[in-house]
Amino acid sequence: SAVISQKPSRDICQRGTSLTIQCQVDSQVTMMFWYRQQPGQSLTLIATANQGSEATYESGFVIDKFPISRPNLTFSTLTVSNMSPEDSSIYLCSAKDRGRVETQYFGPGTRLLVL
Amino acid sequence: AQSVTQLGSHVSVSEGALVLLRCNYSSSVPPYLFWYVQYPNQGLQLLLKYTSAATLVKGINGFEAEFKKSETSFHLTKPSAHMSDAAEYFCAVSEGNQGGKLIFGQGTELSVKP
Repeated sequence: SAVISQKPSRDICQRGTSLTIQCQVDSQVTMMFWYRQQPGQSLTLIATANQGSEATYESGFVIDKFPISRPNLTFSTLTVSNMSPEDSSIYLCSAKDRGRVETQYFGPGTRLLVL
Repeated sequence: AQSVTQLGSHVSVSEGALVLLRCNYSSSVPPYLFWYVQYPNQGLQLLLKYTSAATLVKGINGFEAEFKKSETSFHLTKPSAHMSDAAEYFCAVSEGNQGGKLIFGQGTELSVKP
């Protein structure tokens, strides 16, 4: 199984600022994803991070607000830009194992509070 | 479009009692189905998955789930609840030809009473 780490684990930010969240996988994976979990809610997919090309965003999420990078097969970043209190959520990175059908593993999450 | 419905946002059982968490799915193609558990202040841990092999799937921590195509269900069960099972449980569906994207249910919070 893939082991995923995220940094930072939590942060408190001021509105109008930006935060970049890092996701590191301990092995090469075919696909990486970013999810948002708003307080008391389920997980919603923000985007699929594509290695070497622009991320694929889900409806309701745009690149200007959530720019994503994936420079190689083990690392990705998500930036939450121009933050507002509504962005307070848990942001989770996940990865799909190379060669294992549909097994998707999750990082511990980044807990973000915007004041 | 695929979707997942978890019946009951909160389930409470006594320690030693049967745990039953309900999940119904909608998918236009044979789905892959998953149960994840989220302990307080932690990420998601995979409990078990169904990928078109055996319809009864056994997972970690004594949990199992049965895929029933006729009922479009994938309910999660455990014969005897333990206090450590208290957590949030998420059912998710993926269509294999959609690049691994997971659609999650709303989650069910399981409480275990001593």
